Amino acid sequence: DTEVTQTPKHLVMGMTNKKSLKCEQHMGHRAMYWYKQKAKKPPELMFVYSYEKLSINESVPSRFSPECPNSSLLNLHLHALQPEDSALYLCASSRPGQGQPVQYFGPGTRLTVT
Amino acid sequence: QKEVEQNSGPLSVPEGAIASLNCTYSDRGSQSFFWYRQYSGKSPELIMFIYSNGDKEDGRFTAQLNKASQYVSLLIRDSQPSDSATYLCAVRSSGGYQKVTFGTGTKLQVIP
Repeated sequence: DTEVTQTPKHLVMGMTNKKSLKCEQHMGHRAMYWYKQKAKKPPELMFVYSYEKLSINESVPSRFSPECPNSSLLNLHLHALQPEDSALYLCASSRPGQGQPVQYFGPGTRLTVT
Repeated sequence: QKEVEQNSGPLSVPEGAIASLNCTYSDRGSQSFFWYRQYSGKSPELIMFIYSNGDKEDGRFTAQLNKASQYVSLLIRDSQPSDSATYLCAVRSSGGYQKVTFGTGTKLQVIP
């Protein structure tokens, strides 16, 4: 089973709203990732959690706040977003360590900021 | 210089032909190489990964890696219209095992 789930599938929010994206996996993976993907562009890494600790922050603006409450769950809290933040937000997971860092992606959340 | 380069395409091939997708990378110490398929509006789906020089085959797909030339390719045999998608090459560099760098993707069109 290589399933990563994400909710919601679609989200429309105003610039003053606070919302959260949720990602879940039950593959026993201990590394989880958030990516942002704009149309016709490759996924762009935002954050990496390894063993529930933030290990990589790719200089993401503070209006994006990640959280990893446990080994299966990853959240992305959104606040005061800008229209240019509209994109497909992808969660991925993998086994940590150098042996087999294959990342499996969830279906994504399509975010529109109005 | 881009770290991972792909021809953006579109690459058009007739149904039943072999599609050849290419990717070059700049970090000579890169360890792992991945091919993802992405349909429009969907998330990337892993097709294959390869770590060692040579060929790796899985069904209609063959990944080829040449570390000396810093080149990785994906061959799709007996191409089907359902193979029409963007193919993303991803490379894990020597610097950090958790981070992969994606190429910009090659759009493949299989013409019935």
